[in-house]
Amino acid sequence: DAGVIQSPRHEVTEMGQEVTLRCKPISGHNSLFWYRQTMMRGLELLIYFNNNVPIDDSGMPEDRFSAKMPNASFSTLKIQPSEPRDSAVYFCASSTSRGRIYEQYFGPGTRLTVT
Amino acid sequence: QQPVQSPQAVILREGEDAVINCSSSKALYSVHWYRQKHGEAPVFLMILLKGGEQKGHEKISASFNEKKQQSSLYLTASQLSYSGTYFCGTEGARRLIFGAGTRLAVHP
Repeated sequence: DAGVIQSPRHEVTEMGQEVTLRCKPISGHNSLFWYRQTMMRGLELLIYFNNNVPIDDSGMPEDRFSAKMPNASFSTLKIQPSEPRDSAVYFCASSTSRGRIYEQYFGPGTRLTVT
Repeated sequence: QQPVQSPQAVILREGEDAVINCSSSKALYSVHWYRQKHGEAPVFLMILLKGGEQKGHEKISASFNEKKQQSSLYLTASQLSYSGTYFCGTEGARRLIFGAGTRLAVHP
């Protein structure tokens, strides 16, 4: 298996622009997680989906952030408008879920820089 | 609530041992351990699902004390490849909450 695939790997954009991050989970996994990592705040869960349905989005910072999972093999995280404080590494992870949380497989991450 | 990891950082010589602790103020149902090398994504190490459970992979092992609400990760005879940041994660409200991480540096 190719593992979790994320694109782009690096994104540099100007404040106010829209940013879309993409994720393809491992085939057969039914849970998908979006994390943000910064030096100051560590690894934070933004949102997670189970069977394509958003279960917990309490970590989404504000209305500028939105996430979708239209099918089992694709998810997007959108930031509109972007701000410099959104600069971070964004990870997507997937796992199987049967009521408990099992091992999560992380993608390589997208390093976002907002200037 | 975020689990607390200690120490924040460890520096070792190759071959030395280290212990990383993870504790929570809430009841723990499971503890997950991940390692993240610099510039890479976190990688799963192990899950401990029951109090008293111990697991190991090569020279890295972990224990889970349910009553004390804590887990410890043991790195024996450390290798250069063990360098990285170790995160524990605790399960709560159907989500995994990660600690702040422990940075481990192993030198020759």
